[in-house]
This record gives sequence, C-alpha cells and structure tokens, in this order.
Amino acid sequence: KAGVTQTPRYLIKTRGQQVTLSCSPISGHRSVSWYQQTPGQGLQFLFEYFSETQRNKGNFPGRFSGRQFSNSRSEMNVSTLELGDSALYLCASSPPGQGAFAGELFFGEGSRLTVL
Amino acid sequence: AQKVTQAQTEISVVEKEDVTLDCVYETRDTTYYLFWYKQPPSGELVFLIRRNSFDEQNEISGRYSWNFQKSTSSFNFTITASQVVDSAVYFCALSEAFGQAGTALIFGKGTTLSVSS
Repeated sequence: KAGVTQTPRYLIKTRGQQVTLSCSPISGHRSVSWYQQTPGQGLQFLFEYFSETQRNKGNFPGRFSGRQFSNSRSEMNVSTLELGDSALYLCASSPPGQGAFAGELFFGEGSRLTVL
Repeated sequence: AQKVTQAQTEISVVEKEDVTLDCVYETRDTTYYLFWYKQPPSGELVFLIRRNSFDEQNEISGRYSWNFQKSTSSFNFTITASQVVDSAVYFCALSEAFGQAGTALIFGKGTTLSVSS
C-alpha cells in the first residue's frame, strides 16, 4: 500500500515568490492535514481538509492557503514568501471512521522549502 | 491554553540501556487524546501510540511501554533495551478539539534520542 506522497521534496524560492506543494494521501483516506516544522517553532498545524472542504485551520496568516480535490489529493500554497517560511512542510492523511480528534495520522516525508 | 512540554531536548544512551522520554501536557478539555510519534532522519512522522483521556491503563508493546498519569498530566514513553535503530526524534502530541470533527495535533518540541553501539 503506497504511503503519503509529497512533491516536490526540496525546493528553493526567493522572497516575494509563491510556492505550491502537493500531497497525495493514502488510497481511501479522505482527510488531509498540513503541518509546518521549523527548528524554532517546532511542528505547527496549518489546516485540515475533508471531502474538499477546509475543516480546521491553525493560526497562520492568510498567505497560507490550501485546497483538496475530489480524489482527496491536496495542495497548499504560500504566497509572498518570507524568509521565515523556510521549513519542512508535512502532509498527513487519516483513515475514515476515526472520529473527532482521534489523530492516527500517516505522514509523508515532507517538502523542504528554503526561502532566500 | 493547550500545551505539550518535552523537557528533554536530547538524550544519548548506549545500546541495551533503557530510556524514558518525558511528556507533560496542559489542557482544559475533559476529553482528549495523547500520542507519541517518531521522526527518523527520513523526515516522516511515524505513529507509535494513542491514548484517550479515559484510558489510564498503561501499555507494553514489545520493547516500548507507556505510562499515562492524569493526576500529574504526564504521558511518558520508555524504550527497553534500546537499539541503534531507535535513534530518532520523538514527539509527544495532544489532540485539540475542534468542535464537531477533525484532528489537529499540538506537538511538543521533541526529544532527540541517540543510541550508540
């Protein structure tokens, strides 16, 4: 069974640019979450999508956005990049039927973004 | 406010030693879940265990064991007879209730475990 796939794995951008990251969840998983990991702030929740709808959102500025497609694949976008956006962006999917805040998430290996 | 604290930043042990990773949490919710995840150098977080707030039964799974104590808001993780392959960053996490549904985890800062041979 294929795991969560994130692309690209590594990318370098400059300040002011925008970036789109992609996540393909495990087959059958309809919930997709995104987390940002930085050395200073650690792992922080960005948002969660379920059936193409944003179900929850963390405390990030509006420059961070996402969407989910009918096949459960998800993308996140960061506009007007800042140096502080350099991070590992992790996508996770969860199987159906877990219920609220059950939390068994299956993570991808992440997309490492460097902003110069 | 909900918070997870992992006071140990780094731990180094020699193979076959037992090691305990500490986790203390804060929450106002009466219903919540606690988790441990492992992050190897490849980057992906690997789910290890989940406990709900009503289940204080401690668990042993192979070389891993967990000690959940609501009285002290702690959820500690022990590896018995550590191995080099256990070297990774270990994260404790708390689920945050978002009303009806969904999952958002609040992670601790992680404990880096280094096991040498």
